[in-house]
Amino acid sequence: ILNVEQSPQSLHVQEGDSTNFTCSFPSSNFYALHWYRWETAKSPEALFVMTLNGDEKKKGRISATLNTKEGYSYLYIKGSQPEDSATYLCAFYYYGGATNKLIFGTGTLLAVQP
Amino acid sequence: KAGVTQTPRYLIKTRGQQVTLSCSPISGHRSVSWYQQTPGQGLQFLFEYFSETQRNKGNFPGRFSGRQFSNSRSEMNVSTLELGDSALYLCASSLGSSGANTDTQYFGPGTRLTVL
Repeated sequence: ILNVEQSPQSLHVQEGDSTNFTCSFPSSNFYALHWYRWETAKSPEALFVMTLNGDEKKKGRISATLNTKEGYSYLYIKGSQPEDSATYLCAFYYYGGATNKLIFGTGTLLAVQP
Repeated sequence: KAGVTQTPRYLIKTRGQQVTLSCSPISGHRSVSWYQQTPGQGLQFLFEYFSETQRNKGNFPGRFSGRQFSNSRSEMNVSTLELGDSALYLCASSLGSSGANTDTQYFGPGTRLTVL
């Protein structure tokens, strides 16, 4: 069974704090890892698509790293703002031959207190 | 560019009925994927359509089916509804390029289905 685990499940931080969370995925047969941000009452929005071991991506105050050999990715938010409050999802691209699909974790819910 | 749209946004049905959900992708996107989200579960992949053909399928019973039209719009049908089908159904469109593993998915707002 392929599992994508995210930790922590939820996080409450103060405005200005920096924070990070983890996505763990199978370390064999890696093709891609996606990160999405899902704000309440909106659609999930793509943040990054990561494909190479050692990849680092950055978008404003948000960055992500990837370690395919050990099967994890970190998402960092520097100087959290209330507008960063959302659920952050990672998804592992599973290439099964007959069925190829994104397998999503259950997400990390971030709440940033002003 | 207009985003992905889904209709209806909310739906209430009773057990045993069937339901059809619609998804209009971003213009130029040829792939449409459908996902189900229930409380405590991550997004579960239902199926993907590309150029009017089902390209990939998740582990859902045959009551869940879909189709895609020549303009890339897609519909999802659930027959003989069960209480456990109550969920948020999201569709996502992408270019559908050969490098599908790196294709960014653009999600719609979802259809909230309640089965009574």
